[in-house]
Amino acid sequence: DGGITQSPKYLFRKEGQNVTLSCEQNLNHDAMYWYRQDPGQGLRLIYYSQIVNDFQKGDIAEGYSVSREKKESFPLTVTSAQKNPTAFYLCASRVQGATNGYTFGSGTRLTVV
Amino acid sequence: ILNVEQSPQSLHVQEGDSTNFTCSFPSSNFYALHWYRWETAKSPEALFVMTLNGDEKKKGRISATLNTKEGYSYLYIKGSQPEDSATYLCAPLTNDYKLSFGAGTTVTVRA
Repeated sequence: DGGITQSPKYLFRKEGQNVTLSCEQNLNHDAMYWYRQDPGQGLRLIYYSQIVNDFQKGDIAEGYSVSREKKESFPLTVTSAQKNPTAFYLCASRVQGATNGYTFGSGTRLTVV
Repeated sequence: ILNVEQSPQSLHVQEGDSTNFTCSFPSSNFYALHWYRWETAKSPEALFVMTLNGDEKKKGRISATLNTKEGYSYLYIKGSQPEDSATYLCAPLTNDYKLSFGAGTTVTVRA
């Protein structure tokens, strides 16, 4: 079955370490997105990519980096510059077009200690 | 960041009752309005994507309406069932193809 796989489901890291969250899709979707969720807030856009080898900053890109070397993969690196990295991270993808909904992964909960 | 408001934040419904809740968003640069259902321990699932003012969509007992001129959408659940318990997210898509999410309305259906 086609879908989006995020791994790992839970991730613990020490403060000051960079960490990379994986997002892989086999839906042949062009666009991919990374969102962050904090308690009581809506999902906030970190980075998005509409095509391979191209990506744009979202609303809260500071302290994060991404790459899009393959259509299927859009990994997110949380760097030591991110001041509050502990959060739930969701990856999504979609076919381009206004009437197409997003397909989401199951998320990664990152805890920095 | 686009200001998207959903109200109420949470609600409890008796099984069999109907309910509705609101999503408000800026009407400028509007392109489409998405609704998602997010059940605990699962991924958000797309319910509706609406683009036209006055649009109405229906999926089983759930329906939604859209007013793009005044910037709001209602989601209705008719005859609520326990399996309708979830957080419902609305998200306007703007002309730059960015989706901005509200904090959601969490619905709990009591048997």
